[in-house]
This record gives sequence, structure tokens and C-alpha cells, in this order.
Amino acid sequence: DAGVIQSPRHEVTEMGQEVTLRCKPISGHNSLFWYRQTMMRGLELLIYFNNNVPIDDSGMPEDRFSAKMPNASFSTLKIQPSEPRDSAVYFCASTADSLLQFFGPGTRLTVL
Amino acid sequence: AQSVTQPDIHITVSEGASLELRCNYSYGATPYLFWYVQSPGQGLQLLLKYFSGDTLVQGIKGFEAEFKRSQSSFNLRKPSVHWSDAAEYFCAVGSGGGADGLTFGKGTHLIIQP
Repeated sequence: DAGVIQSPRHEVTEMGQEVTLRCKPISGHNSLFWYRQTMMRGLELLIYFNNNVPIDDSGMPEDRFSAKMPNASFSTLKIQPSEPRDSAVYFCASTADSLLQFFGPGTRLTVL
Repeated sequence: AQSVTQPDIHITVSEGASLELRCNYSYGATPYLFWYVQSPGQGLQLLLKYFSGDTLVQGIKGFEAEFKRSQSSFNLRKPSVHWSDAAEYFCAVGSGGGADGLTFGKGTHLIIQP
């Protein structure tokens, strides 16, 4: 089992650029979550999907953030335009309704 | 709204000593509770979970946690720590048990002294 796969692992970009983070959930899992981790705010839920449908996006900071899940094996989190305050580690997690979330290794984003 | 408080930002323990990390939660119904561990530069690994039943739950790596409803607590314990236990520990609460998003505490950084 490959676990949750995230890419890239590290991303450095300049303010104003578009950033796309990618996640491949564990095969067979039907719920997917995007979290953001910062020193100031800790781990925060941004959005989650169930059966590819966004269920709760109340954690998305603002309109610059968007997330999609076009199929059961792929999701993206996009920031456009990016700002320095978006610098954080972004985690993707998935679950098969077994009440357990499995986390990916994260993407460390630095916006200069 | 649910919330989790981990009152200790840092804890230093000598190798071989016992460990207890505190976690208090706020939730209106029966909570689903979790402890995760994060090593530097790594993702989160589930240590243990409480959904119902026995209030003392066993996890991986020799960890255990006790759910105390009267104190709204879910403290993590280990009888004897190893240097490899140095990491960040997160307590989390969920309403749907994982099918909904989790609310995490700010974490406790565990330092192991030789």
C-alpha cells in the first residue's frame, strides 16, 4: 500500500504566482481532506470531499484558494495568486469511512 | 464548536522515564478522539483512537490513553520513553469519527534527554 501521495514535497514560489498542490488518496478511500499547518495556527482543516463532492469548505481562507477532486484518485489545491502568508505545510488525508484518517507526507510551500 | 487544548507546548523527559501528555477537549456529544505523532519533516501517524467502549485504549509504540468524560480529557501516556519518541504530538477530536474533518490541538513538542 503506497499510502497517501502528495506532490510536490517542497515548493518555492514568488508572490503572485499560481501554486498547485496534488494529492492521490489511498485506493478505495472515499473521503479526502486538505489541512494546513502553520506555527501560529497549528493544523487547520481547509476542505473535505466525500465521493469526490466537496462537503465543507468553510476552512478555505479566501477566494484565492480552490480545491477540486475530478475523480476518486486525484485532488488538487490551488492558490492563485499566492502570498507570503500562504507559506505553510499542506497535508492531504484520506479515509474509507473507517473513522481513521491517513495523512500524506505534506507539501512544504514557501512563498517569497 | 469543538476544540482541543494541549496545555503543554514543550515537555522534556529523560530517556526511560514515564510520560504523560495532556489533552482537553470541548465537544457537545460523545467525541471521537485521536492522538497523532509527527516526526520532523514527516506526516502525521496515528498512535491511537477512542470511539467508544473501554476508556483505556492501547496504541502503537507502547502508548496508551485514557478517556475521562468527567474531566473532558484524553491524556496520552507511556511508561518508559525512548529517544526515538522525540517528536510533536497532536490530540484531535472529530464529530463523525473521521468521516468529517478533525479539529487538532496546537501540539506538544516532546524532547528526550539522554
